[in-house]
Amino acid sequence: AAGVIQSPRHLIKEKRETATLKCYPIPRHDTVYWYQQGPGQDPQFLISFYEKMQSDKGSIPDRFSAQQFSDYHSELNMSSLELGDSALYFCASSYPTAGANVLTFGAGSRLTVL
Amino acid sequence: KQEVTQIPAALSVPEGENLVLNCSFTDSAIYNLQWFRQDPGKGLTSLLLIQSSQREQTSGRLNASLDKSSGRSTLYIAASQPGDSATYLCAVSDAGGTSYGKLTFGQGTILTVHP
Repeated sequence: AAGVIQSPRHLIKEKRETATLKCYPIPRHDTVYWYQQGPGQDPQFLISFYEKMQSDKGSIPDRFSAQQFSDYHSELNMSSLELGDSALYFCASSYPTAGANVLTFGAGSRLTVL
Repeated sequence: KQEVTQIPAALSVPEGENLVLNCSFTDSAIYNLQWFRQDPGKGLTSLLLIQSSQREQTSGRLNASLDKSSGRSTLYIAASQPGDSATYLCAVSDAGGTSYGKLTFGQGTILTVHP
């Protein structure tokens, strides 16, 4: 079965550079979520999109932006990278049915900022 | 602000033991609670989802219970195996939010099952 695809899986950037992470949700899933997991930390919600519109916003820095495209894939753009941005970035997708909302997470994109 | 706490932070047991992982949350107005498994450096695998109106869910050797009024959930693993070694994360979705997938995670319990 198709899963949530994230690319790239690994990314190394220098401070002050820009990075873009991509997420391809499960087919027919219309909602995408982005989470950030720092080393030894629990995942923190960043932002979500439903039907290409931002649906909720968490602890996402102003230096970050995201969007969901017409094919439902999403991109997380990170600018002026800082050392503290080094983390595992997860994307998850869902299609709420019958009141349930099971999220399927991707394998994550590991960003290292040097 | 919702806070999720998991106890213990780490647990090491011999193969075959039954074990219980605990999760507590401060705001009982939740939409659902999920238990995830995470292998080192890997993604999150959803194990069980309990709706706020439910008391428990079972899948194979796993059983999760929810006591919403007291803000507690437990994950019971029967007959543990070395392959169960991973970090187990509890996460809640707050009711009234605009996004049911906006989860608040606990810090996780690192489980090691040794042969």
